[in-house]
Amino acid sequence: DAGVTQSPTHLIKTRGQQVTLRCSPKSGHDTVSWYQQALGQGPQFIFQYYEEEERQRGNFPDRFSGHQFPNYSSELNVNALLLGDSALYLCASSLAGQRDTQYFGPGTRLTVL
Amino acid sequence: GQNIDQPTEMTATEGAIVQINCTYQTSGFNGLFWYQQHAGEAPTFLSYNVLDGLEEKGRFSSFLSRSKGYSYLLLKELQMKDSASYLCAVRPMDSNYQLIWGAGTKLIIKP
Repeated sequence: DAGVTQSPTHLIKTRGQQVTLRCSPKSGHDTVSWYQQALGQGPQFIFQYYEEEERQRGNFPDRFSGHQFPNYSSELNVNALLLGDSALYLCASSLAGQRDTQYFGPGTRLTVL
Repeated sequence: GQNIDQPTEMTATEGAIVQINCTYQTSGFNGLFWYQQHAGEAPTFLSYNVLDGLEEKGRFSSFLSRSKGYSYLLLKELQMKDSASYLCAVRPMDSNYQLIWGAGTKLIIKP
């Protein structure tokens, strides 16, 4: 049973560039949430996708956008990168109607120089 | 505003018991989660409380008091592999999907 997978593992970008991160949910899951985790902090909710639509959004600017595909996989796009966007980006999957447990992927470590 | 407080760091001895506290102030309450996160890795689910009381799962137990906005995670028979950060997260009432996270408590286990 495949768990949540994310790619790439690490990424280095420069200010002003754009980045796309990818996530495949755990088998059987249909909901994907994205989080940003700065060093030494808890995760911050970016948004959640269900049925290919953004269902809820946290307090992040429009530079952060996403997409969910028919196979439930998801992408996180960040435009006009800032130094402060450097963080671990976590994807979590769950099953709609079973909100109790989210399964996290290994994360993508983004460094903006 | 919404706020979750946990101690930044705790130290305990192998074989002992440790209690990690979490207090929260959120716009309503719809469940509290505890996650374990080893350095450089993703958080892994430990427990979920929605009603008052104690939930026991092996060496780990989690307690909730909704009237006090308070929870704790109790780890028994500590092992070196329990060295990790422990994150408390709350689902507010006005959100079915979003979790509000604490900054985590770094637990250091000494021999």
